Amino acid sequence: NAGVTQTPKFQVLKTGQSMTLQCAQDMNHNSMYWYRQDPGMGLRLIYYSASEGTTDKGEVPNGYNVSRLNKREFSLRLESAAPSQTSVYFCASSAHGTGGQETQYFGPGTRLLVL
Amino acid sequence: RKEVEQDPGPFNVPEGATVAFNCTYSNSASQSFFWYRQDCRKEPKLLMSVYSSGNEDGRFTAQLNRASQYISLLIRDSKLSDSATYLCVVNQRGSTLGRLYFGRGTQLTVWP
Repeated sequence: NAGVTQTPKFQVLKTGQSMTLQCAQDMNHNSMYWYRQDPGMGLRLIYYSASEGTTDKGEVPNGYNVSRLNKREFSLRLESAAPSQTSVYFCASSAHGTGGQETQYFGPGTRLLVL
Repeated sequence: RKEVEQDPGPFNVPEGATVAFNCTYSNSASQSFFWYRQDCRKEPKLLMSVYSSGNEDGRFTAQLNRASQYISLLIRDSKLSDSATYLCVVNQRGSTLGRLYFGRGTQLTVWP
């Protein structure tokens, strides 16, 4: 099992450009998540998907959109990138997303720089 | 006030030392508690869950005090490989999703 994979690993954008971050998991998990991590801020939830076909906003959704393409894949789109979106983006998944002692598994991250 | 607050660190300790990290959470309805480990420029990975009665995994001991809304992680006999950032993580009761709140992390460096 590859676990959670993310592409690309690195990306440099100019302000106003758009891009899509891809995430896929092969663990047959129902729930998937997108976080961003900034120095001194910790991980913050952008969007999540409890199950295929559903998505919901997290703590910091502004400037982002998501698509749960199927059970395996959950993409994050920046329509018009801003320097404030410079960050490391992590995708994660968990089996059921029902809370309790359930582990979230993270992908390796995408480092995004917006100039 | 942040949901989860941690010792800012950094902690720099010699090999073999015992080191403890503390964490407080603001929501008394929080249900589940974890410590994640994050190596430099890597993704977070679960280190251990934290149970009400306290639990141990080898050199690592986690404690939970619900009354004080306080979580701790104790590392005994520190190894060089323990150098990482340790994230305190909390899941809130009533959430229909396993939505986690992360502390900012405490950086640990173990030196030879």
